[in-house]
Amino acid sequence: NAGVTQTPKFRILKIGQSMTLQCAQDMNHNYMYWYRQDPGMGLKLIYYSVGAGITDKGEVPNGYNVSRSTTEDFPLRLELAAPSQTSVYFCASSYGTGGEQFFGPGTRLTVL
Amino acid sequence: DQQVKQNSPSLSVQEGRISILNCDYTNSMFDYFLWYKKYPAEGPTFLISISSIKDKNEDGRFTVFLNKSAKHLSLHIVPSQPGDSAVYFCAASYTGNQFYFGTGTSLTVIP
Repeated sequence: NAGVTQTPKFRILKIGQSMTLQCAQDMNHNYMYWYRQDPGMGLKLIYYSVGAGITDKGEVPNGYNVSRSTTEDFPLRLELAAPSQTSVYFCASSYGTGGEQFFGPGTRLTVL
Repeated sequence: DQQVKQNSPSLSVQEGRISILNCDYTNSMFDYFLWYKKYPAEGPTFLISISSIKDKNEDGRFTVFLNKSAKHLSLHIVPSQPGDSAVYFCAASYTGNQFYFGTGTSLTVIP
């Protein structure tokens, strides 16, 4: 099992550009999550999904969109990149609610 | 507003001694707590958890203690090993879906 995979590993965007961060898991987990981690801070939940077709906002959803068309994939979309979105983004999945989350290796995004 | 706080950004411990990492929370609705370990350039990995119906949970060298009245939990690592050097995050939840993370404590175990 590959676990949770994220692409790309690194990306530099210009202000106003858009991009999609990819996340996939092969553990047949129902729950998937997107977090961001700013320097010196903890992880903050952006969006989560409890199953295909179902998504919900987390703590910091502004400026992002998600979709969940399959159990395996949970892409995160940035429509108009801003410097405040410079961060490390982690995708995670879990089997059920409240369970341990399995994290991907992260995507380091810089917006200039 | 930081609902989960780790007030010690760093901790250094001699190999073989006990490491104690602390975490405080403000929301009394939290009922499930986890500790994650993170190495540089990797995602966090799950270490140990505790629900609010317990006050202690052990897994090998790792023990988590929960004091609900003080809204405080701690992670004890005994004995500490150099491979334990990492950043440790505590996280809390009351819905099971949304977890709130602390800012992390960087542990260095000195050989």
